[in-house]
Amino acid sequence: QMQLVQSGAEVKRPGSTVKVSCQASGGTFNFYSINWVRHAPGQGFEWMGMIVPVFGTTNYAQNFQGRVTITANESTASMELSSLRSEDTALYYCAHAYGSGNSPEGFDLWGQGTLVTISS
Amino acid sequence: EIVMTQSPATLSVSPGERVTLSCRASQSVGTNLAWYQQKPGQAPRFLMYGASTRATGLPARFSGRGSGTEFTLTISSLQSEDFAVYYCQQYNNWPLTFGPGTKVDIK
Repeated sequence: QMQLVQSGAEVKRPGSTVKVSCQASGGTFNFYSINWVRHAPGQGFEWMGMIVPVFGTTNYAQNFQGRVTITANESTASMELSSLRSEDTALYYCAHAYGSGNSPEGFDLWGQGTLVTISS
Repeated sequence: EIVMTQSPATLSVSPGERVTLSCRASQSVGTNLAWYQQKPGQAPRFLMYGASTRATGLPARFSGRGSGTEFTLTISSLQSEDFAVYYCQQYNNWPLTFGPGTKVDIK
């Protein structure tokens, strides 16, 4: 059974960049997309974007266009968020899609989450 | 962007009771809807997709219904391990969006 293991918590200054990684343990991503979702304190879940590693194709939420970059190989995905501000303080999750290719049908496997704190 | 809403925000229930959670989309998503369960300190758990298809290993006491803009998740007899927050998510349109959640707690 594959697991997604994310990198550790980060504390960043406003205006800087954070990179969070997500490694598949016990499997590879194959044709399934890896998505990034964040959960800010007192807020709901917010989908940020996705990548289909085997094709390298990406799709980003408009709210994050220009600030987020998602990359991946067959077993590791990364999400880089730039120009950080206090509102970016959140728990960031990678999530494996149910349903292959560019059309996820939900997320059947989640990483443990990475807390990113933006503080001056 | 499709806005998802859920009701009620909190539901206080006794073990063994039947509970129905509601999820509404601001425009039709067909049956492109998933449900998740989240417990404190844990990542979400995938429960259901296609509005009514249970994920692998999900007990049969969980059932989903609906299409278009109105959806429900029913737990026929609440067990102690079912006390959690439940989220719906649409995957019909980009960006994918989630509801704010319904917390099911012990009465």
